[in-house]
Amino acid sequence: QQQVKQSPQSLIVQKGGISIINCAYENTAFDYFPWYQQFPGKGPALLIAIRPDVSEKKEGRFTISFNKSAKQFSLHIMDSQPGDSATYFCAASMKTSGSRLTFGEGTQLTVNP
Amino acid sequence: KAGVTQTPRYLIKTRGQQVTLSCSPISGHRSVSWYQQTPGQGLQFLFEYFSETQRNKGNFPGRFSGRQFSNSRSEMNVSTLELGDSALYLCASSLESGDNEQFFGPGTRLTVL
Repeated sequence: QQQVKQSPQSLIVQKGGISIINCAYENTAFDYFPWYQQFPGKGPALLIAIRPDVSEKKEGRFTISFNKSAKQFSLHIMDSQPGDSATYFCAASMKTSGSRLTFGEGTQLTVNP
Repeated sequence: KAGVTQTPRYLIKTRGQQVTLSCSPISGHRSVSWYQQTPGQGLQFLFEYFSETQRNKGNFPGRFSGRQFSNSRSEMNVSTLELGDSALYLCASSLESGDNEQFFGPGTRLTVL
């Protein structure tokens, strides 16, 4: 029940296209859902996050859609750019577990010029 | 403000040895969490320290241990190294335990031969 499932494992998108990465969780105690971006040789960096009382959150070209009843959430990257090429991780946490993050498996995004 | 720093950045050890990794959190941050990142298992939570006390522990053997000092700096130790311990070890800091906004360091790449 602690798992977060992420798909696809890899994604290739043309410049200007929309990148969509999906995650699903089982534990309804999760109450915070962040997305992290990781470039080679770097640690993950927080991109955008959402709580279950909101169905959508947008920050610039990045949007999280959240479906509480389906226990799913997704990251949409609009107007994808070659500089967006990185590995993306969804994650989940709950108040009772302190700062512990449960991560999805990761998605390697390649944006072709 | 300086980010999370981890030392050393790279480490090569042989089986059976022990290793100590260090993490300095962002100034003012009191919670430090450690994660192991491998291609096969992804990002897995090791433990969290807050106010010099371990707050949470992941599903790792007792060979993995840690501590936190009064200045919030943290160390993790792995004893009796195994080949499977080769990984990128990441630490993340946040203001308080349970504070959702976590900042990751660049990691320490450990290779066990």
